[in-house]
Amino acid sequence: GENVEQHPSTLSVQEGDSAVIKCTYSDSASNYFPWYKQELGKGPQLIIDIRSNVGEKKDQRIAVTLNKTAKHFSLHITETQPEDSAVYFCAATFGQAGTALIFGKGTTLSVSS
Amino acid sequence: KAGVTQTPRYLIKTRGQQVTLSCSPISGHRSVSWYQQTPGQGLQFLFEYFSETQRNKGNFPGRFSGRQFSNSRSEMNVSTLELGDSALYLCASSLARRGQVGEKLFFGSGTQLSVL
Repeated sequence: GENVEQHPSTLSVQEGDSAVIKCTYSDSASNYFPWYKQELGKGPQLIIDIRSNVGEKKDQRIAVTLNKTAKHFSLHITETQPEDSAVYFCAATFGQAGTALIFGKGTTLSVSS
Repeated sequence: KAGVTQTPRYLIKTRGQQVTLSCSPISGHRSVSWYQQTPGQGLQFLFEYFSETQRNKGNFPGRFSGRQFSNSRSEMNVSTLELGDSALYLCASSLARRGQVGEKLFFGSGTQLSVL
């Protein structure tokens, strides 16, 4: 069945460093790839997304790259700050009409000052 | 603009009981979907409703059901609760249009269900 694998499961960086989280997906029909940030006690919040007709998208310190041939996509956070500490999830569509997403298992990012 | 509202925030039930969770989407959003979040399985898709019709369903038993009302508000029901149903249940709304694949989801804070 469809699957999204996410690595690493935990990531610790120093403030100011860059952080990279990688995901691979199995359904070649997937065409929408969002990233969510979840803080303690809150629901996931969309931070950036990319569609299959785009290879890279950037929003200030956050960027996402997509390689459709290899079926993997990555989140890049530059100049990390303590407030970036949270759990990050990648996701992909099932490839059918609707908004249903398969999520990766999450990466706990810790940024120490 | 108000975000996605889920009630109640916390719920404690015993095995065999049933439970109904409520979700009010962002105004103007016609798509509402539900996810189960557990430490072991992560975020798993339950179902999605669009204009009162279920248009996608995840791999969960028939004890899990839902519905959407004409004002886009949604409820999900779990009957004959099991210990393994203890989880955070998240509702998300979207501006997704009919036939569209993939759109930004806006999540509520969830309902934490504990089954004893």
